[in-house]
Amino acid sequence: DTEVTQTPKHLVMGMTNKKSLKCEQHMGHRAMYWYKQKAKKPPELMFVYSYEKLSINESVPSRFSPECPNSSLLNLHLHALQPEDSALYLCASSQDSREGSGELFFGEGSRLTVL
Amino acid sequence: KNQVEQSPQSLIILEGKNCTLQCNYTVSPFSNLRWYKQDTGRGPVSLTIMTFSENTKSNGRYTATLDADTKQSSLHITASQLSDSASYICVVSARTGFQKLVFGTGTRLLVSP
Repeated sequence: DTEVTQTPKHLVMGMTNKKSLKCEQHMGHRAMYWYKQKAKKPPELMFVYSYEKLSINESVPSRFSPECPNSSLLNLHLHALQPEDSALYLCASSQDSREGSGELFFGEGSRLTVL
Repeated sequence: KNQVEQSPQSLIILEGKNCTLQCNYTVSPFSNLRWYKQDTGRGPVSLTIMTFSENTKSNGRYTATLDADTKQSSLHITASQLSDSASYICVVSARTGFQKLVFGTGTRLLVSP
């Protein structure tokens, strides 16, 4: 099983809503990532969790709140988002977060639209 | 500054033809280079990953090359199929202790019948 599963696939929310994106992997990976991707742009790193601890926050606004309940799950809690936050949010995982630790497996993404 | 540049930005080829995509990078110190295929609105899927000591790697009809001296890589697609239409992203990992990936902006390939 080499899958990273993301839900929901599509999400439309208002600026006052609170919603969450979920990511799950069962490959025994100890590093999980959130990326944001705008149309026709490369993915931009948001957060890295290593062994269930937040190791990197790329200066992401506090309206995005990550959570790693266990080694298989990664959530991204969304609150008071802006229309410019509309994007494809990609979850990824790898064996661990050290360089040279092999493949980075991406999920299918959650398409977020903020009205 | 760590950068990855890809060319061409977009490409249209006829089904059955071959094509080659280019990637130049300035990432240092270098750890590895990956090629991903990304269909529109979907997550990237890994095609190849190469370390400093590897200069070619194949995955079916995809063959990647790496010249670490000139800091160039190419992705050759043989006998293209309609399903090859996608964006191809070159990603270079820096040897920084943590897996810091530098993404190229991608080449959008359209295979036409």
